[in-house]
Amino acid sequence: NAGVTQTPKFQVLKTGQSMTLQCAQDMNHEYMSWYRQDPGMGLRLIHYSVGAGITDQGEVPNGYNVSRSTTEDFPLRLLSAAPSQTSVYFCASGPGHITYNEQFFGPGTRLTVL
Amino acid sequence: GQQVMQIPQYQHVQEGEDFTTYCNSSTTLSNIQWYKQRPGGHPVFLIQLVKSGEVKKQKRLTFQFGEAKKNSSLHITATQTTDVGTYFCAGGDNQGGKLIFGQGTELSVKP
Repeated sequence: NAGVTQTPKFQVLKTGQSMTLQCAQDMNHEYMSWYRQDPGMGLRLIHYSVGAGITDQGEVPNGYNVSRSTTEDFPLRLLSAAPSQTSVYFCASGPGHITYNEQFFGPGTRLTVL
Repeated sequence: GQQVMQIPQYQHVQEGEDFTTYCNSSTTLSNIQWYKQRPGGHPVFLIQLVKSGEVKKQKRLTFQFGEAKKNSSLHITATQTTDVGTYFCAGGDNQGGKLIFGQGTELSVKP
């Protein structure tokens, strides 16, 4: 199993550009989520999904969209990139109920917005 | 909204010294998880605590969940250079569906 994969590993955008961060898992996990990590801020939840076709907002959803058309994939879309979105983005997945199951994290995408 | 505060933000220790990081929540948690992130890496699950007052041990690591399920701690006995990294707690909200992370404690160990 590849586990949780994320692409790209690194990305540089200009302000106003849009892009999609890809996340896929091959463990048949119901739960998937996106976090951003900034120095001194820990991991902040952006959006999450408890199953295909179901998504919900986390702590910092503004400027990001998600969709979950399949169990395996959970892409994160930046609609109009801003310098404040410079961060490291982690995708995670877990079996069953989020709060009672181990979360498996992907390797992360380091995004810089100029 | 629910917040999980973690202290200290940084801890520098000499190899062999003990280390403790603390988490406090503004609300009662359904459970708490602990993760470790090595420099340049991604968070990796260590353990989960669910019951009030629960204590679990993994070799030199001791995890505690408070009686009121609002606080937790991770204690490492006799640190080693392999313990270097950032330790995060993550609390489950009682509505179910969110795992809220603390800010993390970055541990450095001087040989």
